[in-house]
Amino acid sequence: QQQVKQSPQSLIVQKGGISIINCAYENTAFDYFPWYQQFPGKGPALLIAIRPDVSEKKEGRFTISFNKSAKQFSLHIMDSQPGDSATYFCAASEGSRDDKIIFGKGTRLHILP
Amino acid sequence: NAGVTQTPKFRILKIGQSMTLQCTQDMNHNYMYWYRQDPGMGLKLIYYSVGAGITDKGEVPNGYNVSRSTTEDFPLRLELAAPSQTSVYFCASRPAGSTNEKLFFGSGTQLSVL
Repeated sequence: QQQVKQSPQSLIVQKGGISIINCAYENTAFDYFPWYQQFPGKGPALLIAIRPDVSEKKEGRFTISFNKSAKQFSLHIMDSQPGDSATYFCAASEGSRDDKIIFGKGTRLHILP
Repeated sequence: NAGVTQTPKFRILKIGQSMTLQCTQDMNHNYMYWYRQDPGMGLKLIYYSVGAGITDKGEVPNGYNVSRSTTEDFPLRLELAAPSQTSVYFCASRPAGSTNEKLFFGSGTQLSVL
């Protein structure tokens, strides 16, 4: 049973375009939704995170949109740059009751120069 | 500022051999995790620990064992290596508390079982 479903598996975007990665979850007890960025040969690093009490969070060119009723959240990368080429993982946890952090399968993003 | 340190970085095992993947952190984090990463499959949680002396199973614990005798160290043990355990293994840690859920990852151990 896949608790966090992520799409697409891979994505190619032109430089300056908008990259959009989507995730869906089933467990309504999840209360923390981070996105991690991973470059080849490195461990993932936290990019941005959101809690369900807000519908959107923005940090620079990165925005999380959260739809609690649809149990979906997405990452938007504005003005995508070649340096954004990496693998992105969404994740979810119910931090108030459990300590497991469950990841999606990842999206390999490639920004064309 | 070491953070989370994993050793070794690469290892090749023969089927049936055993080994321990080492993980240590110097941030005094209570929570530590082991994930495996397979192409197109994301990160799967193997085991985790919320403090010294406490461990619990994740999504894919079969074939692995862990221990947590100190806050700093969280080794992962493979007793009888199988080809299905070929993967990249990541250790991660974070502080306790629901307001500090950022995971700090190590740089990974690439393991091949032949």
